Amino acid sequence: ETGVTQTPRHLVMGMTNKKSLKCEQHLGHNAMYWYKQSAKKPLELMFVYNFKEQTENNSVPSRFSPECPNSSHLFLHLHTLQPEDSALYLCASSQDSGLAGNEQFFGPGTRLTVL
Amino acid sequence: TQLLEQSPQFLSIQEGENLTVYCNSSSVFSSLQWYRQEPGEGPVLLVTVVTGGEVKKLKRLTFQFGDARKDSSLHITAAQTGDTGLYLCAGVNRDDKIIFGKGTRLHILP
Repeated sequence: ETGVTQTPRHLVMGMTNKKSLKCEQHLGHNAMYWYKQSAKKPLELMFVYNFKEQTENNSVPSRFSPECPNSSHLFLHLHTLQPEDSALYLCASSQDSGLAGNEQFFGPGTRLTVL
Repeated sequence: TQLLEQSPQFLSIQEGENLTVYCNSSSVFSSLQWYRQEPGEGPVLLVTVVTGGEVKKLKRLTFQFGDARKDSSLHITAAQTGDTGLYLCAGVNRDDKIIFGKGTRLHILP
């Protein structure tokens, strides 16, 4: 595998379910990101991790819980979601977390539907 | 709140035609990025512009950063069906925060 991979690619869950999204990068990068892409809204940065430490949380509700066990893996744990949380969740990585000088490489995303 | 407005939202043109899409803001950005996203995939970075007035070319694509670093344009010459996709602009501000526009969905007809 090369680049940034995400699993699952599609997920349907009920509001009482608990599920996790997984992201893995094979690029040797130190920074990883979670984004939310909703229809008719701009791409929203949710969390930033640099060297496994969370450096940014953009006022994301606590029903989204990120985990970064090492620089190559990033998880997004989901529980008691709402239908409005349905979106494409994109993971990205970059060499370092400085957005101005580092190219971000995106995974293909997980299409999440909350019923 | 910084916003990036992209126009048009949708554009459908014939293969071979030229087009320009725009990315505008009232805020100054340290750099501006353009991405293309195809269905079922994540965005892919096309270019980053940093200096006011900067022009960068990528084959048939020409990117320009406004002199005041508040706006940018993407011009495609002789569009091809392979150019179809969602074009996103993203600005990085002085606090190293990234803001995306909603995108222009481009459809090139054969």
